[in-house]
Amino acid sequence: QKEVEQDPGPLSVPEGAIVSLNCTYSNSAFQYFMWYRQYSRKGPELLMYTYSSGNKEDGRFTAQVDKSSKYISLFIRDSQPSDSATYLCAMSAGAGTALIFGKGTTLSVSS
Amino acid sequence: DSGVTQTPKHLITATGQRVTLRCSPRSGDLSVYWYQQSLDQGLQFLIQYYNGEERAKGNILERFSAQQFPDLHSELNLSSLELGDSALYFCASSVAGTGNEQYFGPGTRLTVT
Repeated sequence: QKEVEQDPGPLSVPEGAIVSLNCTYSNSAFQYFMWYRQYSRKGPELLMYTYSSGNKEDGRFTAQVDKSSKYISLFIRDSQPSDSATYLCAMSAGAGTALIFGKGTTLSVSS
Repeated sequence: DSGVTQTPKHLITATGQRVTLRCSPRSGDLSVYWYQQSLDQGLQFLIQYYNGEERAKGNILERFSAQQFPDLHSELNLSSLELGDSALYFCASSVAGTGNEQYFGPGTRLTVT
């Protein structure tokens, strides 16, 4: 079993839809959870950062962490064509340690 | 713009050759991480440096090495290159402290022919 599992998609939605992206993980020691957005062959861009469990909201983006289920989610409200990208979840056990990434979900938002 | 810079953007080289990839972290960041991204493996951690010292190793081949200099920039050296080394190589940096937000550079695309 991989440490971090992420459905690769692709996921296609119409503009304005609510998008739900998810990752599951197996290592209960993970404490730091991140979502990155990556446009084709560009550097990953940090979108959301959460420490331990709970929710975090930033504009149209909401990140949720459920450590009891080893499950994290990213919600995108009012999705836009510019949100079309690959979304990567990442996590780590300690501060200042390497990230373990999911393989990414490719999202396409059509206008 | 994350503030992390990487050069060169693209490298095309032949099997058996050696290349050097360069990374400058964000101002004030002491940690530099190198990651490799290939189509089949996704983003994989290679090696981490903190303030000039090697801190952690991941799936880094013995043919690969890295270092971090006193001005905190880092170089990743890839030698005896094979076709399978073709990938995107990213560096990321983070501040020291209790958090773990890592900011990625634009990457170097390496093609081995």
